[in-house]
Amino acid sequence: GQQVQQSPASLVLQEGENAELQCNFSSTATRLQWFYQHPGGRLVSLFYNPSGTKHTGRLTSTTVTNERRSSLHISSSQTTDSGTYFCAISSNTNKVVFGTGTRLQVLP
Amino acid sequence: ETAVFQTPNYHVTQVGNEVSFNCKQTLGHDTMYWYKQDSKKLLKIMFSYNNKQLIVNETVPRRFSPQSSDKAHLNLRIKSVEPEDSAVYLCASSSDRGAEQFFGPGTRLTVL
Repeated sequence: GQQVQQSPASLVLQEGENAELQCNFSSTATRLQWFYQHPGGRLVSLFYNPSGTKHTGRLTSTTVTNERRSSLHISSSQTTDSGTYFCAISSNTNKVVFGTGTRLQVLP
Repeated sequence: ETAVFQTPNYHVTQVGNEVSFNCKQTLGHDTMYWYKQDSKKLLKIMFSYNNKQLIVNETVPRRFSPQSSDKAHLNLRIKSVEPEDSAVYLCASSSDRGAEQFFGPGTRLTVL
């Protein structure tokens, strides 16, 4: 079945540094979404990005569909960016598979 | 306010009891989902409903059953809970099967 791998598993940054989170998946995806989760909080959709590049504020998502990978770039990180970032994909079977997440900690 | 709502926020119960969690979305979406997030934060889909029809039913234990009265509501019932059912249960919806998903705040279940 579909597998989704995220890297790194965890990341510690100083405030102001940039972060690059990776998501790799094993077979064709028709839906790819990046989420942010506060510790103990709701999953918030950051990007719905099955292909191409999207920007919002300090965040950029780039998905290269035929290479089965997506990245999430966070520029000028802030302490409020701390939390867990997930990518989730689904294919034509409609089964949604989540990656294991990247835990980000931004220090002041 | 248009969003995905879940009740209760928390529930503590004992092994063998029955519990029921509610989910409602006011986004006008056709598809709803239930996910389980364990203590390691791993998220796995349990059920998916499109216009009241079950379209994905993962290999979850039979004590779990989804219940949908209309496309805006998808409840989750667990008969005879077990300790391994302790987790956060997340409800989500999307406009159709392939579209962007929006999540509720989750229900944290603790089984003693």
